[in-house]
Amino acid sequence: EIVLTQSPATLSLSPGDRATLSCRASQSVSRYVAWYQQKPGQAPRLLIYDASNRATGIPARFSGSGSGTDFTLTISSLEPEDFAVYYCHQRGNWPPYTFGQGTKLEIK
Amino acid sequence: EVQLVESGGGLVQPGGSLRLSCAASIFTFSSYEMNWVRQAPGKGLEWVSYISGSGTAIYYADSVRGRFTISRDNAKNSLYLQMNSLRAEDTAVYFCARARSGWPFDYWGQGTLVTVSS
Repeated sequence: EIVLTQSPATLSLSPGDRATLSCRASQSVSRYVAWYQQKPGQAPRLLIYDASNRATGIPARFSGSGSGTDFTLTISSLEPEDFAVYYCHQRGNWPPYTFGQGTKLEIK
Repeated sequence: EVQLVESGGGLVQPGGSLRLSCAASIFTFSSYEMNWVRQAPGKGLEWVSYISGSGTAIYYADSVRGRFTISRDNAKNSLYLQMNSLRAEDTAVYFCARARSGWPFDYWGQGTLVTVSS
């Protein structure tokens, strides 16, 4: 099973800052990584798939990069509604699909 | 807009059973693969099970294999999860999530809470 490790566990930033979230896979997953945003009491929302493709309706301030084992989600300029938990997800070698443990993006 | 609505959660004793449902609308249900994903209170996401559009391909996480059964009824636009021999560690919000060609999970339901406790 492929393990995804996200860092940092918590990221404290201010609106307008740039956020960089990391996801590392225990073995290569090619470009088969997605990123989701989850707010309290809500379902996850797909942001990025295949490492760098924005999902429908996702603002351009969200971008993804990486391949192999190292992936990054970047939010170029944080809006108040961006503070949430972010999960990476892989299907490079499935089943099973696996998720990272999450990065909580909180207001500083 | 795509809608996925889960139901069937509740409180059940250890060793008991529960059947979850996910009703789909506003898309051609049979053209999509479906998954169940769960989230224990205060924890991260855990994939539980996958079923292909026709229902012929099915996969499970090791943690539920032999206890849970995924199924679908394309005529009713519905997905199911039969959960038997429930344990305390199965306590979670269960989400259904849509996929095409297995990836990505582009729409999720709001979830239904399953609590396993005596």
